Amino acid sequence: DAKTTQPNSMESNEEEPVHLPCNHSTISGTDYIHWYRQLPSQGPEYVIHGLTSNVNNRMASLAIAEDRKSSTLILHRATLRDAAVYYCILIEYGNKLVFGAGTILRVKS
Amino acid sequence: DTAVSQTPKYLVTQMGNDKSIKCEQNLGHDTMYWYKQDSKKFLKIMFSYNNKELIINETVPNRFSPKSPDKAHLNLHINSLELGDSAVYFCASRDYGTNYGYTFGSGTRLTVV
Repeated sequence: DAKTTQPNSMESNEEEPVHLPCNHSTISGTDYIHWYRQLPSQGPEYVIHGLTSNVNNRMASLAIAEDRKSSTLILHRATLRDAAVYYCILIEYGNKLVFGAGTILRVKS
Repeated sequence: DTAVSQTPKYLVTQMGNDKSIKCEQNLGHDTMYWYKQDSKKFLKIMFSYNNKELIINETVPNRFSPKSPDKAHLNLHINSLELGDSAVYFCASRDYGTNYGYTFGSGTRLTVV
């Protein structure tokens, strides 16, 4: 599975949008971009995934660069409940989920 | 309605003991996983079963033996527990061969003393 690079940590203010970046310059054409998050003392939780086009769901939006070498997870209005570790993961179709270190998101009230 | 449930939530035991962790999913998924999260918070895949058959075994000591009686259950038995086995163990499930997300349980915190 191709490698991703994420900032170790980010901070946001409550009620403001958050843009979590992910670089994946060695992504292959068959790699899907997945995002998961892990809230304190909980199991990882699926957030969103995409291949080439931008994606929206009730939790977040995923913006994928045209060359697919980077992507951004967008939380439109951060709340205290969004404080978590966010993982950007590349998965070839049907393959296993391999976690990196992720980005620790802190949300300030 | 818990989608992926693990029992027990906490487990404290002495070195050398044998213990089991149970996992059940009611999502109708055909593939289940065990992940280990150590004190440094890294999540590592251990095993995967698809329709009761082992498909992933990530160089885990043979003291760890997964068992899948049916596709809705994946249990983890650990023999001769060691201090280094202390971690949080997560069970997960998904539909194999699709690109839908994994669903994780809330974890079992194992402490070996």
